[in-house]
Amino acid sequence: GAGVSQSPSNKVTEKGKDVELRCDPISGHTALYWYRQRLGQGLEFLIYFQGNSAPDKSGLPSDRFSAERTGESVSTLTIQRTQQEDSAVYLCASSGTFNEKLFFGSGTQLSVL
Amino acid sequence: RKEVEQDPGPFNVPEGATVAFNCTYSNSASQSFFWYRQDCRKEPKLLMSVYSSGNEDGRFTAQLNRASQYISLLIRDSKLSDSATYLCVVHTGGFKTIFGAGTRLFVKA
Repeated sequence: GAGVSQSPSNKVTEKGKDVELRCDPISGHTALYWYRQRLGQGLEFLIYFQGNSAPDKSGLPSDRFSAERTGESVSTLTIQRTQQEDSAVYLCASSGTFNEKLFFGSGTQLSVL
Repeated sequence: RKEVEQDPGPFNVPEGATVAFNCTYSNSASQSFFWYRQDCRKEPKLLMSVYSSGNEDGRFTAQLNRASQYISLLIRDSKLSDSATYLCVVHTGGFKTIFGAGTRLFVKA
């Protein structure tokens, strides 16, 4: 597709359930980022992938959060045993390489009840 | 101290006004800088890059002061459509791209 695609656009889950969020970056983009944005707050860096290099996981808030990316394609962000404080918009962005401008997807609105 | 700090505002200005936002960053090794715009309940979108010599794009002017570690955005002749949150973005040495919490701007008729 022409832009970054994220799915689902909305996800409502019960506390304790696992969720998986998906991001399709722009074709050819080697860098992929995940951010979290709570209501009325700024973007919180979660994880970064660059090609086949080891990802920068320094922003993941707990071991309940993990992400994978195969090569330069789709990435999935998994949240295990969801908690209410996980409720937020999860944004994915890609760029040609790091230090270049980011193109964002529309985000996944996650609501944990 | 946050890595990137912005005045959250909100800034309430009339149409036609000039408004300026500042952003400070803590990592002196930061390599590149951007301003993004985020509309309510939308994803951020790139507004402009910030170059050391300063740069202008229409009504928007961005400046970088490496010695003082701050970035600025000036909006001239504000339009109603400029109402949004403006995000300061810093690429540090390494892979992190750090976003400021944003400055909210409301332009009123």
